[in-house]
Amino acid sequence: QVQLQESGPGLVKPSETLSLTCTVSGGSITGNHWSWIRQSPGEGLEWIGYIYSSGSTTYSPSLKSRVIISVDTSKNQFSLRLTSVTAADTAVYYCARRSRSGWITYFDPWGQGTLVSVSS
Amino acid sequence: DIQMTQSPSSLSASIGDRVTITCRASQSISSYLNWYQQKPGKTPKILIYAASSLQSGVPSRFSGSGSGTDFTLTIDSLQPEDFASYFCQQSYNTPYSFGQGTNLEIK
Repeated sequence: QVQLQESGPGLVKPSETLSLTCTVSGGSITGNHWSWIRQSPGEGLEWIGYIYSSGSTTYSPSLKSRVIISVDTSKNQFSLRLTSVTAADTAVYYCARRSRSGWITYFDPWGQGTLVSVSS
Repeated sequence: DIQMTQSPSSLSASIGDRVTITCRASQSISSYLNWYQQKPGKTPKILIYAASSLQSGVPSRFSGSGSGTDFTLTIDSLQPEDFASYFCQQSYNTPYSFGQGTNLEIK
Protein backbone atom coordinates (compact mmCIF):
# COMPACT_ATOMS: atom_id res chain seq x y z
CA GLN A 1 0.00 0.00 0.00
CA VAL A 2 1.02 3.61 -0.45
CA GLN A 3 3.19 5.07 2.29
CA LEU A 4 4.38 8.63 2.78
CA GLN A 5 7.44 9.86 4.66
CA GLU A 6 8.29 13.46 5.46
CA SER A 7 11.88 14.63 5.73
CA GLY A 8 13.62 17.91 6.43
CA PRO A 9 15.12 20.06 9.18
CA GLY A 10 13.45 20.00 12.55
CA LEU A 11 14.61 23.49 13.46
CA VAL A 12 14.31 26.65 11.39
CA LYS A 13 15.29 30.17 12.38
CA PRO A 14 12.74 33.00 12.32
CA SER A 15 12.47 34.78 8.95
CA GLU A 16 14.07 31.82 7.16
CA THR A 17 12.48 29.25 4.87
CA LEU A 18 11.02 25.95 6.00
CA SER A 19 11.63 23.17 3.46
CA LEU A 20 10.18 19.67 3.67
CA THR A 21 9.98 16.76 1.27
CA CYS A 22 7.49 13.92 1.18
CA THR A 23 8.55 10.66 -0.41
CA VAL A 24 5.82 8.41 -1.73
CA SER A 25 6.46 4.67 -1.77
CA GLY A 26 4.35 1.68 -2.72
CA GLY A 27 2.65 3.51 -5.54
CA SER A 28 3.06 6.21 -8.14
CA ILE A 29 2.72 9.90 -7.42
CA THR A 30 1.20 10.31 -10.87
CA GLY A 31 -2.54 10.85 -11.16
CA ASN A 32 -3.18 12.02 -7.60
CA HIS A 33 -3.42 15.16 -5.52
CA TRP A 34 -0.92 15.48 -2.67
CA SER A 35 -1.39 17.73 0.33
CA TRP A 36 0.50 19.34 3.15
CA ILE A 37 -1.29 19.72 6.48
CA ARG A 38 0.06 20.99 9.77
CA GLN A 39 -0.99 20.57 13.36
CA SER A 40 -0.13 22.83 16.25
CA PRO A 41 -1.55 22.89 19.78
CA GLY A 42 -2.96 26.35 19.32
CA GLU A 43 -4.39 26.05 15.81
CA GLY A 44 -5.35 22.39 15.49
CA LEU A 45 -5.19 20.87 12.03
CA GLU A 46 -4.62 23.31 9.20
CA TRP A 47 -4.64 22.49 5.50
CA ILE A 48 -1.76 24.22 3.72
CA GLY A 49 -2.34 23.26 0.10
CA TYR A 50 -2.15 20.55 -2.50
CA ILE A 51 -0.48 19.76 -5.77
CA TYR A 52 -1.55 17.51 -8.62
CA SER A 53 1.07 15.32 -10.20
CA SER A 54 1.01 17.61 -13.24
CA GLY A 55 2.22 20.45 -11.04
CA SER A 56 -0.99 22.45 -10.64
CA THR A 57 -1.44 23.78 -7.13
CA THR A 58 -4.08 25.14 -4.77
CA TYR A 59 -3.08 26.89 -1.57
CA SER A 60 -4.82 28.07 1.55
CA PRO A 61 -5.38 31.83 1.18
CA SER A 62 -4.02 32.40 4.68
CA LEU A 63 -0.62 31.02 3.65
CA LYS A 64 -0.64 31.57 -0.10
CA SER A 65 1.81 34.46 -0.08
CA ARG A 66 4.46 32.33 1.66
CA VAL A 67 3.92 28.81 0.31
CA ILE A 68 5.25 26.91 -2.65
CA ILE A 69 4.45 23.24 -3.19
CA SER A 70 6.31 21.43 -5.95
CA VAL A 71 6.46 17.89 -7.32
CA ASP A 72 9.23 15.73 -8.73
CA THR A 73 7.58 12.75 -10.42
CA SER A 74 10.94 11.19 -11.31
CA LYS A 75 11.70 10.83 -7.60
CA ASN A 76 8.10 10.19 -6.51
CA GLN A 77 8.38 13.17 -4.19
CA PHE A 78 6.64 16.44 -3.51
CA SER A 79 7.89 19.32 -1.42
CA LEU A 80 6.83 22.25 0.72
CA ARG A 81 8.55 25.58 1.05
CA LEU A 82 7.25 28.11 3.56
CA THR A 83 9.04 31.43 3.60
CA SER A 84 9.51 34.07 6.30
CA VAL A 85 8.63 31.71 9.13
CA THR A 86 7.76 32.84 12.65
CA ALA A 87 7.14 30.99 15.89
CA ALA A 88 3.51 30.64 14.79
CA ASP A 89 4.69 28.21 12.09
CA THR A 90 5.95 25.75 14.70
CA ALA A 91 3.92 22.60 14.16
CA VAL A 92 3.92 18.97 13.15
CA TYR A 93 3.83 18.93 9.36
CA TYR A 94 2.10 16.05 7.59
CA CYS A 95 1.98 15.10 3.97
CA ALA A 96 -1.09 13.21 2.79
CA ARG A 97 -2.77 11.98 -0.35
CA ARG A 98 -6.10 13.50 -1.21
CA SER A 99 -8.04 10.34 -1.95
CA ARG A 100 -11.37 10.17 -3.70
CA SER A 101 -14.38 7.92 -3.41
CA GLY A 102 -16.86 9.02 -6.05
CA TRP A 103 -17.62 12.70 -5.45
CA ILE A 104 -16.04 12.98 -1.97
CA THR A 105 -12.39 13.52 -1.18
CA TYR A 106 -10.54 12.87 2.06
CA PHE A 107 -6.98 12.57 3.28
CA ASP A 108 -5.59 9.06 3.24
CA PRO A 109 -2.92 7.94 3.80
CA TRP A 110 -0.89 10.37 5.87
CA GLY A 111 2.81 10.48 6.56
CA GLN A 112 3.98 10.01 10.13
CA GLY A 113 4.51 13.75 10.53
CA THR A 114 7.59 15.78 11.31
CA LEU A 115 7.92 18.41 14.01
CA VAL A 116 9.33 21.69 12.81
CA SER A 117 10.23 24.26 15.44
CA VAL A 118 10.91 27.88 14.61
CA SER A 119 13.43 29.32 17.00
CA SER A 120 16.66 31.25 16.97
CA ASP B 1 -13.83 30.12 4.39
CA ILE B 2 -15.92 27.43 6.05
CA GLN B 3 -15.52 27.14 9.82
CA MET B 4 -16.01 23.77 11.48
CA THR B 5 -17.05 23.68 15.13
CA GLN B 6 -16.95 20.49 17.15
CA SER B 7 -18.53 19.77 20.49
CA PRO B 8 -17.67 18.83 23.06
CA SER B 9 -13.96 19.62 23.03
CA SER B 10 -13.40 16.85 25.55
CA LEU B 11 -15.48 13.94 26.74
CA SER B 12 -15.08 11.34 29.48
CA ALA B 13 -16.76 7.99 29.01
CA SER B 14 -16.52 4.39 30.15
CA ILE B 15 -15.91 1.15 28.29
CA GLY B 16 -19.19 0.04 26.77
CA ASP B 17 -20.72 3.53 26.64
CA ARG B 18 -22.30 5.06 23.57
CA VAL B 19 -20.91 8.49 22.74
CA THR B 20 -21.83 11.16 20.22
CA ILE B 21 -19.64 13.94 18.89
CA THR B 22 -21.12 16.84 16.99
CA CYS B 23 -19.66 18.90 14.16
CA ARG B 24 -21.26 22.03 12.76
CA ALA B 25 -20.28 23.83 9.55
CA SER B 26 -20.60 27.59 9.17
CA GLN B 27 -22.46 27.05 5.87
CA SER B 28 -24.06 24.13 4.13
CA ILE B 29 -21.56 21.54 2.95
CA SER B 30 -24.07 18.91 1.79
CA SER B 31 -22.45 15.61 2.81
CA TYR B 32 -18.85 16.66 2.18
CA LEU B 33 -17.83 15.75 5.73
CA ASN B 34 -15.13 13.37 6.91
CA TRP B 35 -14.19 12.09 10.37
CA TYR B 36 -10.70 11.15 11.53
CA GLN B 37 -9.34 9.45 14.62
CA GLN B 38 -5.96 10.38 16.03
CA LYS B 39 -4.23 8.53 18.84
CA PRO B 40 -1.46 10.24 20.87
CA GLY B 41 1.73 10.55 18.86
CA LYS B 42 0.08 8.99 15.81
CA THR B 43 -1.19 10.12 12.45
CA PRO B 44 -4.86 10.95 11.84
CA LYS B 45 -6.73 8.02 10.34
CA ILE B 46 -9.86 8.30 8.20
CA LEU B 47 -12.90 6.71 9.83
CA ILE B 48 -15.89 7.99 7.91
CA TYR B 49 -16.19 9.89 4.63
CA ALA B 50 -19.17 11.48 2.93
CA ALA B 51 -20.76 11.96 6.36
CA SER B 52 -21.85 8.35 6.78
CA SER B 53 -19.67 5.98 4.73
CA LEU B 54 -17.45 3.74 6.83
CA GLN B 55 -13.86 3.45 5.62
CA SER B 56 -12.79 -0.11 4.90
CA GLY B 57 -11.48 -1.83 8.00
CA VAL B 58 -13.15 0.52 10.48
CA PRO B 59 -15.31 -1.30 13.06
CA SER B 60 -19.06 -1.07 12.59
CA ARG B 61 -19.52 0.46 16.06
CA PHE B 62 -18.52 3.75 14.40
CA SER B 63 -21.23 5.56 12.48
CA GLY B 64 -21.82 9.00 11.07
CA SER B 65 -24.87 10.98 10.11
CA GLY B 66 -25.99 14.41 9.02
CA SER B 67 -26.01 16.71 6.03
CA GLY B 68 -26.05 20.43 5.40
CA THR B 69 -24.51 22.02 8.46
CA ASP B 70 -24.97 19.51 11.29
CA PHE B 71 -23.19 16.19 11.61
CA THR B 72 -22.61 13.55 14.27
CA LEU B 73 -20.12 10.80 14.90
CA THR B 74 -21.42 8.03 17.13
CA ILE B 75 -19.41 5.27 18.73
CA ASP B 76 -21.44 2.38 20.10
CA SER B 77 -20.05 0.26 22.93
CA LEU B 78 -16.73 2.04 23.48
CA GLN B 79 -13.66 -0.14 23.39
CA PRO B 80 -10.28 0.65 25.02
CA GLU B 81 -8.71 1.39 21.64
CA ASP B 82 -11.34 4.08 20.91
CA PHE B 83 -9.96 6.54 23.43
CA ALA B 84 -8.38 9.10 21.15
CA SER B 85 -9.03 12.46 19.54
CA TYR B 86 -11.59 12.85 16.77
CA PHE B 87 -11.68 15.53 14.09
CA CYS B 88 -14.22 16.44 11.46
CA GLN B 89 -13.13 17.91 8.13
CA GLN B 90 -15.05 19.50 5.28
CA SER B 91 -14.07 18.77 1.70
CA TYR B 92 -16.84 20.90 0.16
CA ASN B 93 -14.38 23.51 -1.02
CA THR B 94 -10.93 24.87 -0.44
CA PRO B 95 -9.48 25.90 1.87
CA TYR B 96 -10.31 22.54 3.45
CA SER B 97 -10.92 22.96 7.16
CA PHE B 98 -11.00 20.82 10.28
CA GLY B 99 -12.86 20.98 13.53
CA GLN B 100 -10.77 21.74 16.60
CA GLY B 101 -11.07 18.15 17.79
CA THR B 102 -12.75 16.17 20.54
CA ASN B 103 -10.55 14.41 23.06
CA LEU B 104 -12.25 11.22 24.24
CA GLU B 105 -10.92 10.07 27.61
CA ILE B 106 -11.55 7.14 29.88
CA LYS B 107 -13.75 7.96 32.86
